[in-house]
Amino acid sequence: GAVVSQHPSWVICKSGTSVKIECRSLDFQATTMFWYRQFPKQSLMLMATSNEGSKATYEQGVEKDKFLINHASLTLSTLTVTSAHPEDSSFYICSAEGVPGLVETQYFGPGTRLLVL
Amino acid sequence: EDQVTQSPEALRLQEGESSSLNCSYTVSGLRGLFWYRQDPGKGPEFLFTLYSAGEEKEKERLKATLTKKESFLHITAPKPEDSATYLCAVQRGVGNEKLTFGTGTRLTIIP
Repeated sequence: GAVVSQHPSWVICKSGTSVKIECRSLDFQATTMFWYRQFPKQSLMLMATSNEGSKATYEQGVEKDKFLINHASLTLSTLTVTSAHPEDSSFYICSAEGVPGLVETQYFGPGTRLLVL
Repeated sequence: EDQVTQSPEALRLQEGESSSLNCSYTVSGLRGLFWYRQDPGKGPEFLFTLYSAGEEKEKERLKATLTKKESFLHITAPKPEDSATYLCAVQRGVGNEKLTFGTGTRLTIIP
């Protein structure tokens, strides 16, 4: 199957700082990437959808100025949590999907655990 | 609005005891139904895609089936390493649309 990586796998930061998370598709071109967050024992909550070269589409209730998404190439998307606060602590997961018919489904990264102190 | 409901919420089985997980869905213009496995602290791992009613797919001890209203994930003679949360999701349209997930079934296989 296709491989998606995330970096870093975990990060601890102080309140008020910004954190950038990278998501890369390693062996296919990701025309669309998705960002999710997941709280303990809950399912995935979609935050935003991004297409390469376009502005991200955010789900209702997700602050676009706080969660900045950039999808500048077909293999890389970044999520920046700006001015992070303890309530932003969560497990962030990206997924990537390629051209329909060439890539079967969305493939997920291993996740990034963020802890804001 | 697309909806996915998974049951049971949690399932404990003895090693070797076969069972099924259910995923009921409503979606306008189904492109595909997907099954993923998620281990604690990790991202979901892709298992199957089903596109049309009547379709079946198998992988080792897992078999996924699809009807117009639901999907089943059958697990035959499970082993402890099959313990995980199993997620079902649907996608509409022609591709590159968002997935709508169920809340998952947390499966525990007891040795």
